[in-house]
Formats: sequence, structure tokens, C-alpha cells
Amino acid sequence: DQQVKQNSPSLSVQEGRISILNCDYTNSMFDYFLWYKKYPAEGPTFLISISSIKDKNEDGRFTVFLNKSAKHLSLHIVPSQPGDSAVYFCAASARSSGSARQLTFGSGTQLTVLP
Amino acid sequence: DTEVTQTPKHLVMGMTNKKSLKCEQHMGHRAMYWYKQKAKKPPELMFVYSYEKLSINESVPSRFSPECPNSSLLNLHLHALQPEDSALYLCASSQVKVAGGLADTQYFGPGTRLTVL
Repeated sequence: DQQVKQNSPSLSVQEGRISILNCDYTNSMFDYFLWYKKYPAEGPTFLISISSIKDKNEDGRFTVFLNKSAKHLSLHIVPSQPGDSAVYFCAASARSSGSARQLTFGSGTQLTVLP
Repeated sequence: DTEVTQTPKHLVMGMTNKKSLKCEQHMGHRAMYWYKQKAKKPPELMFVYSYEKLSINESVPSRFSPECPNSSLLNLHLHALQPEDSALYLCASSQVKVAGGLADTQYFGPGTRLTVL
């Protein structure tokens, strides 16, 4: 059962326009969400995160929105640049009774920004 | 500095070989992780170390043996692997929150591309 879903495997956007990547989750215990960007043959690079006590977090061109009632989050990139072309992973974390917290990743969305 | 380094970058090994993957971080993080990633799939957690002690083993076969010799280093010893173990092996680290919970932002290394023949 996939607890974190990215239903769009790919997205193409024109340079300068907005890119919107979506992520849905099913586990209501998730309270922290992250977006990672991954180039081929490299490790994921942390982009931006949001706690469940917020509904928006912004860092430069990147903004993450969280809709807890819909169990949905999105990453907005504006303006999009060709260097943003990569696979974007959504990840979620839940408090657990033990000391460890694990990240649950979505399947990723390949973003292509066209010049 | 949010750098996690991994060596080697690429590794090709036979099914009877013994090899080790290495990971290092100097961010003062006290939690370190091993993930396995197959092509076009998300990373899958294998092991978690917290304060140099193994805290999570996600039912990983014993042919993978992790080791955390100190707070900056994490090794993954490989023995008698199968071709289906070929994947990108990622190391990550994070802070450990007060009261024992792992902090949420994990920083990843570039990975080791492993091919088992």
C-alpha cells in the first residue's frame, strides 16, 4: 500500500512558467513533509520541507503548500529554469513510539523544463 | 556544509566477492542511514543508525552487513550478493532531535552504483 503517491510520472513546462508538482498521502500520522530533487546517478538533494502545523513554506523560487484536510501537498517552482529538470520526490515522516522516524517516499515526478 | 560523501562511486562485483561501501559526513549528525534505489523507483530504507547503534533493520538479507565505527562513518559490507542486488546505494544522515526522535531532514550522499555479475 503506497502511503505517499505522486500520480504524475512526468511533467513538461516552458522556461519561465510555473511548475506545479503534486503529492498525496494516506497516513494521517504524517506530520512532516519534504521535497527532494534528484539528477540521474546522483543522490537526492533536499529542497524544502513543511511541518503539519503550517500550510505554506517558501524558499526563493520554491514554495510548498500543504492541505491537511485533503492530505495533499504541492511544490511550486516559479519561474522554472532548464536546470530544474530532474526527478522530484515527495517524502513524508511520522512520529513513532520509538526513537526512529523514517521517510516514506513517493515514486517521483520527472520534471522537464523546456527552453 | 551539508555534504555526505560516498566511496566508491561505482562498484562491479561477482557473486562470490566481498566488498564494502563507505559513507562519511562531517555535519555532526548522529543518525545515519542506508537506502537502496532501483531505477525509476523511490529510495527504500535498509538500515538506520542512531548514536552509532543500529536502530532499524528493514528485514534486509544478511548478505548486507552495516557497520558504524564512529559518528562520522558508516560502512555497508557486502558478501555473496545476487544480481538482483544491483542498484544505487545511498547513504544519508540527519540530526537527532532532543528526546530521541530522529530529525526529519535527511541529507543524502551521491550514492554508489553497484553492479553484481
